[in-house]
Amino acid sequence: DIQMTQSPSSLSASIGDRVTITCRASQSIRHYLNWYQQKPGTAPKFLIHAASSVQSGVPSRFSGSGSGTDFTLTISSLQPEDIATYYCQQSFSTAPTFGGGTKVEIK
Amino acid sequence: QVQLVQSGAEVKKPGSSVKVSCKASAGLLNNYGVSWVRQAPGQGLEWMGGIIPIFGTSNYAQKFQGRVTISTDESTDTAYMELASLTSEDTAVYYCARSLLVIVGGTGRSDAFDIWGQGTMVTVSS
Repeated sequence: DIQMTQSPSSLSASIGDRVTITCRASQSIRHYLNWYQQKPGTAPKFLIHAASSVQSGVPSRFSGSGSGTDFTLTISSLQPEDIATYYCQQSFSTAPTFGGGTKVEIK
Repeated sequence: QVQLVQSGAEVKKPGSSVKVSCKASAGLLNNYGVSWVRQAPGQGLEWMGGIIPIFGTSNYAQKFQGRVTISTDESTDTAYMELASLTSEDTAVYYCARSLLVIVGGTGRSDAFDIWGQGTMVTVSS
């Protein structure tokens, strides 16, 4: 299976800060990388497809980049409603795998 | 409104099986796949397996091979996940999710999960 490693596992930032989350694959997955946001007690929400395609309705402060093995999710200006855990997921192989998650908190 | 509605919480004994359903709005699953993802308390997301009805294919994470069965009833737009030989380590929230597809050479695999059910809590306890 392809292993997905996210860093950091948690972070604390102030409102308005730029936040960057990294996801690394154990082998090249080209652009087959997706991002999700999960708030406590709710199902994950699909944010970004194919590394950089932000889904309709997702605020423009969210962006994604990367290819091959290294990817990033960026929140350009952190808002209170962005408090959540973020997961990356690879869809390169027939067995999708998720990263371990990054919990974003307000400082 | 397009949505997936899952069956209610379950409490099971060790060694038993559980079957969770996922009812889709009409036509929601046409030309898509369905996967099941679970989340143990305080833990991350774990893909269990998926099915792609238009190709008649299903595949499972190696960890669950032989213990999980995923199926669909297209007449009722409902997907099912059955997990056997339950242990306390199977206590988790189980989600169904619609998957976009990557089509390659006449077959397909799961891509991103764009619509999720609300989750079903399964508790395994003696």
